[in-house]
Amino acid sequence: KQEVTQIPAALSVPEGENLVLNCSFTDSAIYNLQWFRQDPGKGLTSLLLIQSSQREQTSGRLNASLDKSSGRSTLYIAASQPGDSATYLCAVPLTGANNLFFGTGTRLTVIP
Amino acid sequence: EAGVAQSPRYKIIEKRQSVAFWCNPISGHATLYWYQQILGQGPKLLIQFQNNGVVDDSQLPKDRFSAERLKGVDSTLKIQPAKLEDSAVYLCASSRQGMGYTFGSGTRLTVV
Repeated sequence: KQEVTQIPAALSVPEGENLVLNCSFTDSAIYNLQWFRQDPGKGLTSLLLIQSSQREQTSGRLNASLDKSSGRSTLYIAASQPGDSATYLCAVPLTGANNLFFGTGTRLTVIP
Repeated sequence: EAGVAQSPRYKIIEKRQSVAFWCNPISGHATLYWYQQILGQGPKLLIQFQNNGVVDDSQLPKDRFSAERLKGVDSTLKIQPAKLEDSAVYLCASSRQGMGYTFGSGTRLTVV
């Protein structure tokens, strides 16, 4: 059974700092990994999708990397802003399946 | 493209009552998912549809939960009778093969 772990569970940083969120998964037979953002009381917003053949994806100040062999992904946020405050979730489906397995998320607070 | 639509946004019911949630996926997305997200946890898959057929409902508490996707488009999720532990956000998502998920805004259910 796939298990997804996210560290740290919570993170508080001053505005302007660069930061890294970590995601690890136990079964490397995945065909993609997706990072989501969730604001309190809201649904999930997709940030980045990395296919298993890729090593990283970038969107604006966000960069996500994927190392299938070690079962790890990182989300790098450059020059953090108060508007980045949210919970960040990573999720993986297994090869041949569409079911997404989610981590419990990292709650990020960016202090002005 | 239009996003995944869900209604209602909020619902408060007493235990043992019934409730239904509605989801309209992105046009052309064959796969539809219902997830349950309890406060402080990552979303957990309840049921997955491919067109109007059920692919995975292994995590659906079938004694009280039911779901259908008539004509392979809209879907409804019903709880009858509700329990206190059903209080959660119910998220609907849709996807195309090999692509990432798109989530709706969710329905926040409170059972009192």
